[in-house]
Amino acid sequence: DAGVIQSPRHEVTEMGQEVTLRCKPISGHNSLFWYRQTMMRGLELLIYFNNNVPIDDSGMPEDRFSAKMPNASFSTLKIQPSEPRDSAVYFCASSRRDRAYNEQFFGPGTRLTVL
Amino acid sequence: RKEVEQDPGPFNVPEGATVAFNCTYSNSASQSFFWYRQDCRKEPKLLMSVYSSGNEDGRFTAQLNRASQYISLLIRDSKLSDSATYLCAVNGGADSWGKLQFGAGTQVVVTP
Repeated sequence: DAGVIQSPRHEVTEMGQEVTLRCKPISGHNSLFWYRQTMMRGLELLIYFNNNVPIDDSGMPEDRFSAKMPNASFSTLKIQPSEPRDSAVYFCASSRRDRAYNEQFFGPGTRLTVL
Repeated sequence: RKEVEQDPGPFNVPEGATVAFNCTYSNSASQSFFWYRQDCRKEPKLLMSVYSSGNEDGRFTAQLNRASQYISLLIRDSKLSDSATYLCAVNGGADSWGKLQFGAGTQVVVTP
C-alpha cells in the first residue's frame, strides 16, 4: 500500500522565491496535517484539514505561508516569499478521522533550504 | 511549561539491556497517546498507540498513567537497530481531537 507521498524531497531556493510543497495522503484518509521540524523547535503542527476543510491553522507562522486542499488526494503548502529562517523539513501526515485513535502516518518529508 | 516534555537523553544502552523513559503531558483532557520512532533524517514512524490498560508489542511496552499525566515506553532486549529518537505524541482533548502535540524526543543509543 502506498504511504503518504510528498514532493519534492529536497528543495534549494533563494530568498524571496516562491516554494510549493505537495502532498498526497493515504487513500481513504480524511485528515491531513502539515508539520515543520527544526532542531531548535522540534516538530510543529502548521495546519490540518478534515475532509478537505482547514480546521486549525494557528501554527502557520505568518501570512507568507498558505495551504490548500482542493480534493481528498492532494494538498499544497506554499511559502511566498521564502526566507532563510523557513529552512526546515516539512512533513505531511494523514489519518482517518473516524477511528477512535488518531494514528497519523507521515510522509518522507521535504527538506527545504532557503539561501 | 511545554505541553509535552521528554528527557532528551541520550540513553546509552548496552545491547540486550532494558531501557525505559517517560513523557509528561500537561493537558488532563488528552485522550489519545502515541509513541513514534524517528531515525536520523527520516520521517517519524508510528511505533505504537498507548491504551489506558497499557499495551505490549513484542519487546516494547507502553504504559499510561493518567493520575500523574505521563506515558512510558520500555524496550526489552535492546537491539542495535533500536537506536533512534523516540517521540511521544498526545492529542489536545475532545475539542482538538485531530491535533497532536509532539515531544522533542528521547534519543536512544544501543551499543555493542
